Amino acid sequence: DIQMTQSPSTVSASVGDRVTITCRASQTIGGWLGWYQQKPGKAPKLLISAASDLEIGVPSRFSGSGSGTDFSLTISSLQPEDFATYYCQHANTFRPTFGGGTKVEIK
Amino acid sequence: QLQLQESGPGLVKPSETLSLICSVSGDSISSPNYYWGWIRQPPGKGLEWIGTLYYTGTTYYNASLESRLTFSVDASKNQFSLRLNSLTAADTAVYYCASLRLISGLFDSCGQGIPVTVS
Repeated sequence: DIQMTQSPSTVSASVGDRVTITCRASQTIGGWLGWYQQKPGKAPKLLISAASDLEIGVPSRFSGSGSGTDFSLTISSLQPEDFATYYCQHANTFRPTFGGGTKVEIK
Repeated sequence: QLQLQESGPGLVKPSETLSLICSVSGDSISSPNYYWGWIRQPPGKGLEWIGTLYYTGTTYYNASLESRLTFSVDASKNQFSLRLNSLTAADTAVYYCASLRLISGLFDSCGQGIPVTVS
């Protein structure tokens, strides 16, 4: 199975900060990667597909990049509603795996 | 827009079998555009993919759960279901059903989740 490693596991930031989360795959996955946001007690919400395509309705302050094995999610100016946990997921095979998650918390 | 809703017991005894149903609205479960899946999240932990199925009956299971897992589809009710046997405390989690968009391989809609405790 493909392993997905996210870093950092926690990031402390303030409103207005630029935040970048990275995700590394244990083998090349092309652009078959998505990013999810999950708030406490809620289901995960798909933010980005194909490594860099924003889902409809997702604010433009979110962006994704990368290909192969190394990917990143950037929030250009953190807003209060962005404090949440973020997960990457590969979609390179029919047996997807998630990264361990990155919690974005208030500094 | 797709809507999914999980149903099933919230408390199950060890060694017993968990049965969950996901009811789908907004599209047909026989749509060629979607697979259907299950994800779980133990308390305080990350997301774990359980498995995925297509309306034809094709299934893909997490290898760590495969020996205990069965998926099925009921197209007449627009539902799909999960059965997980030989439960232990390690199976305690919130279980989500979700639609997996075929073109991206990602879960684009999830149910609200159902907490299941094995005790």
